[in-house]
Parts: sequence; C-alpha cells; structure tokens
Amino acid sequence: AQKVTQAQTEISVVEKEDVTLDCVYETRDTTYYLFWYKQPPSGELVFLIRRNSFDEQNEISGRYSWNFQKSTSSFNFTITASQVVDSAVYFCALSGLNDYKLSFGAGTTVTVRA
Amino acid sequence: NAGVTQTPKFQVLKTGQSMTLQCAQDMNHEYMSWYRQDPGMGLRLIHYSVGAGITDQGEVPNGYNVSRSTTEDFPLRLLSAAPSQTSVYFCASSYSHPLAGGRIGELFFGEGSRLTVL
Repeated sequence: AQKVTQAQTEISVVEKEDVTLDCVYETRDTTYYLFWYKQPPSGELVFLIRRNSFDEQNEISGRYSWNFQKSTSSFNFTITASQVVDSAVYFCALSGLNDYKLSFGAGTTVTVRA
Repeated sequence: NAGVTQTPKFQVLKTGQSMTLQCAQDMNHEYMSWYRQDPGMGLRLIHYSVGAGITDQGEVPNGYNVSRSTTEDFPLRLLSAAPSQTSVYFCASSYSHPLAGGRIGELFFGEGSRLTVL
C-alpha cells in the first residue's frame, strides 16, 4: 500500500518569506514517482514536478525547489521569496513506475499575505 | 486546446437519484481516472482506465460505475446518490505510453464538478 503524509495542514507567511512544505511517503515499491501539484483558489489542479526514485538530485525551477531524500522517504518543496500568487493548496503524490495511479496527501494550504 | 472537459460543473441531487458526470479529453491519453476531493482528505481515486474497454477500481469505488467505450470519454455514474457522495469530483488523464518520456504519469485535470446530495 502507498501512503503520502503532509503533516502541515496550513501555513501562513508574509510576502517574500520562504516556505517549506513537508511530504513523507510510504511504499513497498523499489521504484516509483513522486509529484507535487498546486491547486489555486480557482480550483484547477496544476502539475508542478515529477521525480523518479532513481534520481535523488535536488531540483530548482525559478523560486521553486525540491529536496528528495530517499533515506528519510521525504520529498519536500520550498518556495523562495513567496508571493501572493503562491497562495494555494499544494499536494504531494506518489505512484508506481508503471501504474499511474496517484496516491495524494491531504494537502497543505499556503496563504501568503501582502 | 480543450484538454480535459468535465460537465456539469455544479449539480444538486436528492438522495436516491442517479446521474452521470461526463469527462472527455482530446489529448489521445490512454489513462483516465476519477478522483473525489474532500476537506482534509486530499484526492482519492474512485475508478481508472488504462484504455478503451478496460476499467478498474480505485480506493473508493462503492456507489460509482464507469465505462470506457472510447479513448476520449470516461463517464462516472452515481447509481443511487447518498449525502456521503457530496464532494468535488475531478477527472484526470495522462500519457502512459513509454514514448511519452518525461511526461509519463503527469496527470491533466479537468476543472472539477461540485456535487451536493441532499
């Protein structure tokens, strides 16, 4: 069975602060994918990143960065210099390499105040 | 670019009524799925399909039926609506062919359908 835990329910920050979202996962698979999705107030879900279990390199995309640590089963997400437009619910998710069935965490609501 | 289209966006039902949520995608994705989103529970998989004629159950399939007669369409049927089915429903599709490379497994979501069962 697969399980994704996002322990932080809500995070509130002031604009320009950094914010880190925690994601811990459980799986019996030796190979798997990890994902982050964003759900802004408008409601649609937007893909942010996919990481496979072979690749533990950290990734940076603009103000977003991801830290994958297989040893601790974590895939944390950091927003640097947050902006009001970053306010959203962020979901971490996990799938097998060949089954595409994503298991989602409960989500973390990020509120960025001006 | 239509992507994934869900209808209706909003629906109110009475307990016991049946209805179908429609989902269509124009990206020739083999994989399609239905999720429900409830507060504090994230998204939970209801049913999924890996291609036309093939469907399977997800985590919370009870009370729902699906079929996949074409690659494009994946309707979700509520057989006898119950208040516990009040939720926001999302249809999603993804590339599943190995040639999709770096996009494999990336889900494309519809805008969601908000269902209230009284």
